Amino acid sequence: KQEVTQIPAALSVPEGENLVLNCSFTDSAIYNLQWFRQDPGKGLTSLLLIQSSQREQTSGRLNASLDKSSGRSTLYIAASQPGDSATYLCAVRPIDSSYKLIFGSGTRLLVRP
Amino acid sequence: DTAVSQTPKYLVTQMGNDKSIKCEQNLGHDTMYWYKQDSKKFLKIMFSYNNKELIINETVPNRFSPKSPDKAHLNLHINSLELGDSAVYFCASTYTGGAGKLFFGSGTQLSVL
Repeated sequence: KQEVTQIPAALSVPEGENLVLNCSFTDSAIYNLQWFRQDPGKGLTSLLLIQSSQREQTSGRLNASLDKSSGRSTLYIAASQPGDSATYLCAVRPIDSSYKLIFGSGTRLLVRP
Repeated sequence: DTAVSQTPKYLVTQMGNDKSIKCEQNLGHDTMYWYKQDSKKFLKIMFSYNNKELIINETVPNRFSPKSPDKAHLNLHINSLELGDSAVYFCASTYTGGAGKLFFGSGTQLSVL
């Protein structure tokens, strides 16, 4: 059974710092992995999607990497800003059930001005 | 021109009542989902429909009944509401022929008193 874990559960950093959020999954048989952002009281916004054949994806100050064999992904945020404060969730799409995503419990990020 | 829209945004009701949540997407997607986010912010899939056909039903009490009148709509009806049903319910959609990127609605916060 696929399980997704995110560490740390919460993170507080000063503005301008580079930071890394971690995601691990127990079964490497996945189609892809997605990183989402959730703001309080709002829905989820997809940030980056990495296909199982890819190693990384970049969008602006965000870079996500995927090491499928070790069951790990990282989300790197460069030069963090207060506007980056949100909960970040990773989710995997298993090969044996391609229609659903399995989510981690998220990392709550606070970027202090 | 919201991509995935849910109504209502907030729903406060008494135990034992029956209520419905509606979802519509204008993205031309063929697969829609209901996810439940509990008080610990953990997102769990409930149902998925592909082209109006139920493809995922994740051990949800049969008091919950989804209905998909067409590809663009997925509604959730809940009978005999219980305290434990209090959560945020998210609708999401995707196109199965594509990369699998998921688009979420902004959520319906259900409070059962």
